Amino acid sequence: KAGVTQTPRYLIKTRGQQVTLSCSPISGHRSVSWYQQTPGQGLQFLFEYFSETQRNKGNFPGRFSGRQFSNSRSEMNVSTLELGDSALYLCASSPQASGNTGELFFGEGSRLTVL
Amino acid sequence: DQQVKQNSPSLSVQEGRISILNCDYTNSMFDYFLWYKKYPAEGPTFLISISSIKDKNEDGRFTVFLNKSAKHLSLHIVPSQPGDSAVYFCAASANTDKLIFGTGTRLQVFP
Repeated sequence: KAGVTQTPRYLIKTRGQQVTLSCSPISGHRSVSWYQQTPGQGLQFLFEYFSETQRNKGNFPGRFSGRQFSNSRSEMNVSTLELGDSALYLCASSPQASGNTGELFFGEGSRLTVL
Repeated sequence: DQQVKQNSPSLSVQEGRISILNCDYTNSMFDYFLWYKKYPAEGPTFLISISSIKDKNEDGRFTVFLNKSAKHLSLHIVPSQPGDSAVYFCAASANTDKLIFGTGTRLQVFP
């Protein structure tokens, strides 16, 4: 069974640009969550999608957005990039909504560097 | 506001000894807690969990303890092995809501 796949794995952007990250969950999983990992801040929750609907949203500015498609694949977009957006972006999937006594299965992440 | 806190950014333990990783939380509504382990260049992987109706859960070398009155949980690894060297994150959720993660503790197990 294939794991969670994130693309691209690495990317470099400049300030002001926008970026789209993709996540393919484990087959059969309907929930996709996105987290931002930065040194000293741990994993900060961005948002969760379940059956194409945003179920939860973290405390990030509106520049951060996401969506989920009917096949459960998800994308997140960051517009008008800032230096502080440099981070590892992790996607996680689960068969049911996260936090519902179910563990999350993480991808390897997309490392974004903003210059 | 960091609802889940891991106050020790790093821990160094000798092989064979016990590793104790700590986690504190502020939200009394949290009712489910998990520990994840993360190696460099990999995503976090689930390690062990505990429901708020329990105060201990054990899985092989890993035991998680929950003290609800102190809003504190800990992960014990006995005996520690070099392969346990990783970053450990605790996480919590309330009423099946999203998982909130701590900042992580880097464990190094040396020979």
